[in-house]
Amino acid sequence: QKEVEQNSGPLSVPEGAIASLNCTYSDRGSQSFFWYRQYSGKSPELIMFIYSNGDKEDGRFTAQLNKASQYVSLLIRDSQPSDSATYLCAVNTGNQFYFGTGTSLTVIP
Amino acid sequence: DTGVSQDPRHKITKRGQNVTFRCDPISEHNRLYWYRQTLGQGPEFLTYFQNEAQLEKSRLLSDRFSAERPKGSFSTLEIQRTEQGDSAMYLCASSLGPQGSTNEKLFFGSGTQLSVL
Repeated sequence: QKEVEQNSGPLSVPEGAIASLNCTYSDRGSQSFFWYRQYSGKSPELIMFIYSNGDKEDGRFTAQLNKASQYVSLLIRDSQPSDSATYLCAVNTGNQFYFGTGTSLTVIP
Repeated sequence: DTGVSQDPRHKITKRGQNVTFRCDPISEHNRLYWYRQTLGQGPEFLTYFQNEAQLEKSRLLSDRFSAERPKGSFSTLEIQRTEQGDSAMYLCASSLGPQGSTNEKLFFGSGTQLSVL
């Protein structure tokens, strides 16, 4: 079992819609959770982090964490074509950040 | 703050040759990570330094791979006797640490794309 699992997609949504990205993790001791965006050929860029159960909002992005279910999600409201990228879920279990394989998102104009 | 810098951006080498990559982290960051990423996959952890100490190394990492961070600033990653399977993007990231604080966020460099022919 991989430490972090994501649906690889691809996920396509129309412009203006809500995109929902999901992630599960295996280590119950994990304390911190991150979402990175990666454009093709570029390095990952941090967009959200969350430590506590519940929701955390930042602009059009909302991260949701449920430690009991070992589940993290990212919602992107009012999706824009510029949001088209691969979204990586990352979990810090101690000294290592484990990454999922990423979910490819395409926002259709 | 000039960000994480990696050099070179691209490296093409022949199988069996040695290669070395350099990473300069954000200046005040004491934690430095090396990752490897292949197409369609997420970054795979290779090794981690806190200051000059190498605290963790992936069990999957062949002994052909070695990393150093001699003065707790820049780091080098060397791959000896390269193989075609080593072809990947090698990413360096740094953070201010520690875990559980808002300073633990990883910031990535642009990566070094290695192609082994």
